[in-house]
Amino acid sequence: QVTLRESGPALVKPTQTLTLTCTFSGFSLTSSEMCVTWIRQPPGKALEWLALIDWDDDKYYNTSLKTRLTISKDTSKNQVVLTMTNMDPVDTATYYCARTVDPGYYYYMDVWGKGTTVTVSS
Amino acid sequence: EVALTQSPGTLSLSPGERATLSCRASQSVSNVYLGWYQQKPGQAPSLLIYGASTRATGIPDRFSGTGSGTDFSLTIDRLEPEDFAVYYCHLYGNSTATFGQGTNLEIK
Repeated sequence: QVTLRESGPALVKPTQTLTLTCTFSGFSLTSSEMCVTWIRQPPGKALEWLALIDWDDDKYYNTSLKTRLTISKDTSKNQVVLTMTNMDPVDTATYYCARTVDPGYYYYMDVWGKGTTVTVSS
Repeated sequence: EVALTQSPGTLSLSPGERATLSCRASQSVSNVYLGWYQQKPGQAPSLLIYGASTRATGIPDRFSGTGSGTDFSLTIDRLEPEDFAVYYCHLYGNSTATFGQGTNLEIK
């Protein structure tokens, strides 16, 4: 059974750096085609794709947020970490991680975590 | 960067009816990387369709995806009460990805 769980601070202050951890089980990020994606959703708004890391340690970012995001993985711990610098109240959102399958001829996010809510406020 | 525009923003229908949701890309894209996701209130999104037309595991055949180039659609036949939710199209490509703004399918 594949599961993912997001963890991190519920509250951060403006200008601080947010660090979120996605802990997963039931698959390995060393297996080809396997990736993990981070997605966020501000209250009452649409989903926003943030970043992806694949089995080969290739990393892809949202073009608009690229300068603020860093994604990394620790395969020994089955974890993927997302950092976002210079947090602002507009970054208040629920942050999700999702297992992503990408063999090159299709792509999908098939298992999602429940999400973690982050509020940015002083 | 490709943008996805979904229409309508809100669709009001009754159980048993057919829903047709549209997703338009700002430029021609590959079907391979176009997907649809369903999100119910208070829940994480879930995968419905990938590769524009392939149903994910466990998704009933009432759900179907079609399209190519810039125009894609999700059709839900014989709406069930549990189908009323927000639907997002999603595109991955050129080392980045994006979602449409969503269509809220509500009970009339």
